[in-house]
Amino acid sequence: NAGVTQTPKFQVLKTGQSMTLQCAQDMNHEYMSWYRQDPGMGLRLIHYSVGAGITDQGEVPNGYNVSRSTTEDFPLRLLSAAPSQTSVYFCASSQGGGGRETQYFGPGTRLLVL
Amino acid sequence: AQSVAQPEDQVNVAEGNPLTVKCTYSVSGNPYLFWYVQYPNRGLQFLLKYITGDNLVKGSYGFEAEFNKSQTSFHLKKPSALVSDSALYFCAVRVPYGNNRLAFGKGNQVVVIP
Repeated sequence: NAGVTQTPKFQVLKTGQSMTLQCAQDMNHEYMSWYRQDPGMGLRLIHYSVGAGITDQGEVPNGYNVSRSTTEDFPLRLLSAAPSQTSVYFCASSQGGGGRETQYFGPGTRLLVL
Repeated sequence: AQSVAQPEDQVNVAEGNPLTVKCTYSVSGNPYLFWYVQYPNRGLQFLLKYITGDNLVKGSYGFEAEFNKSQTSFHLKKPSALVSDSALYFCAVRVPYGNNRLAFGKGNQVVVIP
């Protein structure tokens, strides 16, 4: 049971480039989410999904797209990278989305946009 | 509006001494409260949560937290700190409207001195 996996671990982009951060979980969790972690700001929710085919915006969605075609995968797309998107990105999953459930986090993707 | 406050940036404690990491919250209704820990270059790991019931919650690695409704606090405690407890600690609260997202505090760096 691998839990939540993320690839790549580290990425350098130039301004304007696009890329996809991959996230997968093998726990059959319904709820998946993407966060960004910036120094002194904790984690902020970017997008989330309550099941395959259903996604919605979180706190800081601008510049990011998501899709959820399967229960296991929840990729995050940066359409045109900007230096403000330099951050550490975490994917998380939980059995439900009611707020009581424990979230399981991936190891993170460190992104540097030049 | 700030939902979670972790007032200290860093907590230094000698090994073997009690460890306290402070957290206060401001949400309406019944709060769901969580503590997560992040070791260097790793994702967040769940420590404990308060949903309902006993105000004293026991969690992983000997940690516990006390829910205090009158003071709107959920401080994390450990009776005897270990060097291996050195990490970044996050308090989080469910935001009880919209998407039930978790609002995270900015995190507290705990340094346990041998």
